[in-house]
Amino acid sequence: KNQVEQSPQSLIILEGKNCTLQCNYTVSPFSNLRWYKQDTGRGPVSLTIMTFSENTKSNGRYTATLDADTKQSSLHITASQLSDSASYICVVNRLSGTYKYIFGTGTRLKVLA
Amino acid sequence: NAGVTQTPKFQVLKTGQSMTLQCAQDMNHNSMYWYRQDPGMGLRLIYYSASEGTTDKGEVPNGYNVSRLNKREFSLRLESAAPSQTSVYFCASSDGTGFGYTFGSGTRLTVV
Repeated sequence: KNQVEQSPQSLIILEGKNCTLQCNYTVSPFSNLRWYKQDTGRGPVSLTIMTFSENTKSNGRYTATLDADTKQSSLHITASQLSDSASYICVVNRLSGTYKYIFGTGTRLKVLA
Repeated sequence: NAGVTQTPKFQVLKTGQSMTLQCAQDMNHNSMYWYRQDPGMGLRLIYYSASEGTTDKGEVPNGYNVSRLNKREFSLRLESAAPSQTSVYFCASSDGTGFGYTFGSGTRLTVV
């Protein structure tokens, strides 16, 4: 079954601290993996996208990693800011199949001052 | 540079009423999608349109209909709204490669 599981479900950290969010998937055939940030009341916005051959991709303070062998990805946030408070969604794109985009349920991050 | 535009942003319906959610994209994407997002659940695909002139059911199509009016526009219709359709609805479009995939800002629908 094609699934994307994210952990933790929710996380609270203090401003300035780092954190890492996890994404495990059992999706095949794999095309690429994307991390989205979704602010409350808004649509998801893409942070990074990685193909099979890429194992790290950065976007400012966000760094995503991909291990295609173990089918795991992580999103590391450095020096967190209050504006990082949001849900982070992992999405795996399949090369073929009826439902190509498999969504995780997200990690809700709260950054406190 | 609007991307994907959804209207309305908020809507309250009474059970049994009908309405159409509008979506338009200006990126010349071939594929468009409608999702619903409920608390504690991932985005679930309602309907999608791989290209102009085609539409297909997603995971949760019951109670909905869609129209791909042209390449830019993809609408979602609720014929007889039910409280179970209370949700946030997102439209998305893609260029089909998996790399260009963009969401709208959502429509928050409440059915009472």
